[in-house]
Amino acid sequence: QLQLQESGPGLVKPSETLTLTCTVSGGDISSSSNYWGWIRQPPGKGLEWIGGISYSGNTYFNPPLKSRVTISVDTSKNQFSLKMSSLTAADTAVYFCARRSAWLAWFDPWGQGTLVIVSS
Amino acid sequence: EIMMTQSPATLSVSPGERATLSCRASQSVSTNLAWYQQTPGQAPRLLIYGASTRATGIPARFSGSGSGTEFTLTISSLQSEDFAVYYCQQYNDWPPFTFGPGTKVDIK
Repeated sequence: QLQLQESGPGLVKPSETLTLTCTVSGGDISSSSNYWGWIRQPPGKGLEWIGGISYSGNTYFNPPLKSRVTISVDTSKNQFSLKMSSLTAADTAVYFCARRSAWLAWFDPWGQGTLVIVSS
Repeated sequence: EIMMTQSPATLSVSPGERATLSCRASQSVSTNLAWYQQTPGQAPRLLIYGASTRATGIPARFSGSGSGTEFTLTISSLQSEDFAVYYCQQYNDWPPFTFGPGTKVDIK
C-alpha cells in the first residue's frame, strides 16, 4: 500500500526559503506513469495546487507560484521535495504531498500534511 | 484556468437523511472530476473519480454524477462519520489543477 509522509520545519521566517520533503513508501517513486505533487491549505481555507513532478522528472507549477517554487526528486531515497522562496505570512498553510497515477488523474493517496507557519 | 464553484457552502442535514452537493466548472471538464472528503485535522480522502466511479473502499451510499460543467455528489443516508467538508477538483485541463471552495456538511 502506497504511503506518503511529509517532513520539514514547522516555523519559517518571512523572506526565507521553505524546504519540505515527501517520503514515499510501499512503492517506487520512479515507477512509470506516477506524478507527484504538492497541495496546500491555509488554516480554515480551501485547497491550492502548488505544483508537481512526473516520473520522468518533468515539473509543472501553478502559475502564480511558479517563480518561487522548485520541485525535485531523489530516487535513491524515494523522496521528492518542495522548495518555496521569499515566504510571507500568506504562505502559512498545511502542506500536503500526493500522487497521481496518470496524466489525467486525481490525487490519491495523500500524505497526512505538515503545518508550516511563516512568522518572525 | 478553470474555476470551480460549489453549492451550498454549508448543508445542514440530519443523520439518515440524503445530502446533495453541487459542483460547477467554468468550462467543460468532461468527466475528469474528483470528489474528496476532509474531516478536521485530516488529509482529503478520495471518494469519487471520473465523476461517478467510487474509489476503493468507499461505501455505496456515496454516488457521483454529471459531465461537462455540472456535477453532483449524493450521500444517500448520512452517517455520523460523513459530517465533513467535501471538495470537487478538475483534472481535465492543467496546470493548474483546481479545487472548488468546499461544501461543509454539518449536523442539523
